[in-house]
Amino acid sequence: DTGVSQDPRHKITKRGQNVTFRCDPISEHNRLYWYRQTLGQGPEFLTYFQNEAQLEKSRLLSNRFSAERPKGSFSTLEIQRTEQGDSAMYLCASSLTVEAFFGQGTRLTVV
Amino acid sequence: QQQVKQSPQSLIVQKGGISIINCAYENTAFDYFPWYQQFPGKGPALLIAIRPDVSEKKEGRFTISFNKSAKQFSLHIMDSQPGDSATYFCAGDTDKLIFGTGTRLQVFP
Repeated sequence: DTGVSQDPRHKITKRGQNVTFRCDPISEHNRLYWYRQTLGQGPEFLTYFQNEAQLEKSRLLSNRFSAERPKGSFSTLEIQRTEQGDSAMYLCASSLTVEAFFGQGTRLTVV
Repeated sequence: QQQVKQSPQSLIVQKGGISIINCAYENTAFDYFPWYQQFPGKGPALLIAIRPDVSEKKEGRFTISFNKSAKQFSLHIMDSQPGDSATYFCAGDTDKLIFGTGTRLQVFP
């Protein structure tokens, strides 16, 4: 499969724990995006990278969230001290031009 | 961040009918307007997209109509099929996508 790959697909964690998600973009795509989607809503932009540079972070991204894209390849999104409000689907997308392709997402449940 | 308004929230159409979903945007910097289709438990999949210098784009049963002066665009699904039942999102793009709130389409046989 040469699409965007996200791991894990599902994560259940206790409140206060740290979690890390991984995204592998389509190879040669230089842009990588993270979005968050809650039930019944459209995806909300969190942050994006061009190669290894993080170019923009949404105000939604509190200081408990951090994203990295070392060497401009895969990316990780870490949430520290998870809260119940962090429960959502976390989507990764990549693009080379304007067309963005999404992965299947990681569904996070904080209990 | 809500710069794209989408309606209706849900839509029920009979098989063979036309499904119409409308979006309105505020940010005149948007230069690309895609529509995404999302099935439960899956990520959004790009369906069709348009640039603001074009008033209409058709791909198979899917057509985007774009009205730049009104800052509105719509998706028309002709000959709707049960397999089209999904949630549809419009979006505007500058350097990132800003999505509408989605329309849940149900097509009944």
